[in-house]
Amino acid sequence: RKEVEQDPGPFNVPEGATVAFNCTYSNSASQSFFWYRQDCRKEPKLLMSVYSSGNEDGRFTAQLNRASQYISLLIRDSKLSDSATYLCVFEEGTYKYIFGTGTRLKVLA
Amino acid sequence: DTAVSQTPKYLVTQMGNDKSIKCEQNLGHDTMYWYKQDSKKFLKIMFSYNNKELIINETVPNRFSPKSPDKAHLNLHINSLELGDSAVYFCASSLGTSGTQYFGPGTRLLVL
Repeated sequence: RKEVEQDPGPFNVPEGATVAFNCTYSNSASQSFFWYRQDCRKEPKLLMSVYSSGNEDGRFTAQLNRASQYISLLIRDSKLSDSATYLCVFEEGTYKYIFGTGTRLKVLA
Repeated sequence: DTAVSQTPKYLVTQMGNDKSIKCEQNLGHDTMYWYKQDSKKFLKIMFSYNNKELIINETVPNRFSPKSPDKAHLNLHINSLELGDSAVYFCASSLGTSGTQYFGPGTRLLVL
């Protein structure tokens, strides 16, 4: 099993739609989880951390399911500006972060 | 003000050459990283430094030698460049193990 697995997409959704991505991880000892966003030919930027109890930041909701070893990202009311690649990240050990290959999202007008 | 900066942004060179990439952060962070993003967009950690000390070396060939002269700088020197070294190299920094990493704009390296 790969360390991190993400559906590469692309997910093509209309503006205003709700879309969700999952990311599975293999290291059950992982303690920290994150979602990053990467625009085309740009650097990754932190979107949000993922907390055990789940957390929300505006239109974005992140969840952690330790039993099934996955994290999820839900985007409500999609905007054109949400079009990007979303990378899940987990901390495998101190100062060592594993990035998924990313899920491409295209929000269509 | 740029938080994490890298130079150069683009690097085109011949196989066998030696090149360096510089990284500087002005965030006051104590931890810095080098990542490689290949043509399939897979972002893989290469090195982690905390307080100028090497913490993680992800089985990177020893042609790659990072150097951290101080906490604000982490440079990457690459000897005897190979075609497979072509990629985008990102520098990043964080405060301890907070997990919130700030990335530089990347250096696009093309080895011919």
